[in-house]
Amino acid sequence: QQQVKQSPQSLIVQKGGISIINCAYENTAFDYFPWYQQFPGKGPALLIAIRPDVSEKKEGRFTISFNKSAKQFSLHIMDSQPGDSATYFCACHGGSQGNLIFGKGTKLSVKP
Amino acid sequence: SQTIHQWPATLVQPVGSPLSLECTVEGTSNPNLYWYRQAAGRGLQLLFYSVGIGQISSEVPQNLSASRPQDRQFILSSKKLLLSDSGFYLCAWSRRRRSISENYGYTFGSGTRLTVV
Repeated sequence: QQQVKQSPQSLIVQKGGISIINCAYENTAFDYFPWYQQFPGKGPALLIAIRPDVSEKKEGRFTISFNKSAKQFSLHIMDSQPGDSATYFCACHGGSQGNLIFGKGTKLSVKP
Repeated sequence: SQTIHQWPATLVQPVGSPLSLECTVEGTSNPNLYWYRQAAGRGLQLLFYSVGIGQISSEVPQNLSASRPQDRQFILSSKKLLLSDSGFYLCAWSRRRRSISENYGYTFGSGTRLTVV
């Protein structure tokens, strides 16, 4: 059973465009939703995270939008740059689940 | 500040040989520790996690094993490697989440690229 569904699997965006990655979850007990960024050959690193008591969180060009009723959250990368090319993972945590549950990842390529 | 060390960075091993990957965490105590595997272009597969010395939980049955001989040391081992064991192995740590108001994030090591030939 896939508790966190992430889409798309891959994404190509032109420089300056908006990149949008979506995640949907099943467990309503989840209460912490981070996004991780992974560059080739490196470990994932925490990018931004949100709690369900807010609908949006922004840090620089990165924004998480959260829809509690729909059990969905998304990552928006404004003014996408070639340096943003990486794999992005959404994750969920909370309730009785002791570990982070990761989505399957989205490979983002930003073309110059 | 907390740091996580993982080594070696790359490893090429013949089929049937043993494996030992080590991970250590500095600057914290009693962390949760994790081993993940990532196949090329794929997602993160949780292999093992540990909430304390000698306490290992396995998520995927396989020919790999894990041990936690010290509070901040986590070791991934195999007696006989298979071709299918090739991949990118990541160690991670996290604090215990003591309340719902507390953030809960993993910090990953830099990974070990294992190629079994």
